[in-house]
Amino acid sequence: EIVLTQSPATLSLSPGERATLSCRASQSVNSYLAWYQQKPGQAPRLLIYDASNRATGIPARFSGSGSGTDFTLTISSLEPEDFAVYYCQQRSNWPAITFGQGTRLEIK
Amino acid sequence: EVQLVESGGGLVQPGGSLRLSCAASGFTFSSYEMNWVRQAPGKGLEWVSYINTSGRTIYYADSVKGRFTISRDNAKNSLYLQMNSLRAEDTAVYYCARHQGHTPWMDVWGKGTTVIVSS
Repeated sequence: EIVLTQSPATLSLSPGERATLSCRASQSVNSYLAWYQQKPGQAPRLLIYDASNRATGIPARFSGSGSGTDFTLTISSLEPEDFAVYYCQQRSNWPAITFGQGTRLEIK
Repeated sequence: EVQLVESGGGLVQPGGSLRLSCAASGFTFSSYEMNWVRQAPGKGLEWVSYINTSGRTIYYADSVKGRFTISRDNAKNSLYLQMNSLRAEDTAVYYCARHQGHTPWMDVWGKGTTVIVSS
């Protein structure tokens, strides 16, 4: 099983600041990584797929980078609605897809 | 509007069974591969099961293999998850989620249905 480790567990920032979230895979997943956003009581929403492609309707302030084992989700300037939990997901060894444990982005 | 709506959750005793349903609308359901993903209280996401468009290719997570059965009825635009021999650790919100095209990125999710396994 490919284990995804996200860091930090919690990130405290203010609106307007830049957020950098990390996801590290236990073995290479090439570029087969996605990022999801989940707000309390809501379903996850696909933000980024194939490491760096924004999903339909996702604002340009969200960007993804990385390949192999190290990946980053960057939110260039935080909006109030961006405070949520973020998960990474890999599909490298489909069908055994796995998710990271999540990073909670909270308002400072 | 593209939509997935889950139903069928509830409280069940350990060893019991439940059947979850997911009703799809706003898109051509028969053209999309589908999944069930669950989230235990306060925990992260766990992929549970996958079914292809025809229903002939199916995969399960090891944690549910032999106990859960995924199926679909394209004529009814519906996805199902039959859950047997339920355990306390199956307690979770269960989401149905659509594949984005032919990749296992999940671009449409339902709001989820809650399953509680407890005596």
